[in-house]
Amino acid sequence: NAGVTQTPKFRVLKTGQSMTLLCAQDMNHEYMYWYRQDPGMGLRLIHYSVGEGTTAKGEVPDGYNVSRLKKQNFLLGLESAAPSQTSVYFCASSYSRGGRPLHFGNGTRLTVT
Amino acid sequence: AQSVTQLGSHVSVSEGALVLLRCNYSSSVPPYLFWYVQYPNQGLQLLLKYTSAATLVKGINGFEAEFKKSETSFHLTKPSAHMSDAAEYFCAVSEGGSGGSNYKLTFGKGTLLTVNP
Repeated sequence: NAGVTQTPKFRVLKTGQSMTLLCAQDMNHEYMYWYRQDPGMGLRLIHYSVGEGTTAKGEVPDGYNVSRLKKQNFLLGLESAAPSQTSVYFCASSYSRGGRPLHFGNGTRLTVT
Repeated sequence: AQSVTQLGSHVSVSEGALVLLRCNYSSSVPPYLFWYVQYPNQGLQLLLKYTSAATLVKGINGFEAEFKKSETSFHLTKPSAHMSDAAEYFCAVSEGGSGGSNYKLTFGKGTLLTVNP
């Protein structure tokens, strides 16, 4: 009963490096999301997807790209990491209908030096 | 546009005391409301949700919340705090109604609950 799985759990990057965060869910959810969590800021939506092959921008999309080639996977990419992207990243998934709760992964702690 | 305000970024209570975490929302349509809890180094877990049924909602671990439309509030309470309740709590709102969509979920900035022995 895995739920939402994020890899990796921790990562340190140097400014300008690139990386991809992987999110996988086994609940057949239509919607998937990427959030970042910063102290005192709560959770802010980066990008989301309402179905396989579709993505959309959230509140803070700059500097990130996403892809959802398969329904169960949602990838978050940083093409050229910046120190401002130091954060904890959470993936979540849900059924599409309003009122269905989000299910979260355990997060990826990213440090950009 | 919808928004969530959590009053108090840090709340400290004694073990056995009442827990009250405040949440006020704004929404142009009837809302769905949620409380999530985050333990250290973990993701968020659903505590409870309001989806236009009963206004008093019971959740896990003895928590409950009451939807008050006139006050646009959804405060979280627990009669008696346990040490294990120490965590960060987030209130969230999304669009309600038959056409409501989850992707417009907006979170508050969180309230850190400390429980003193």
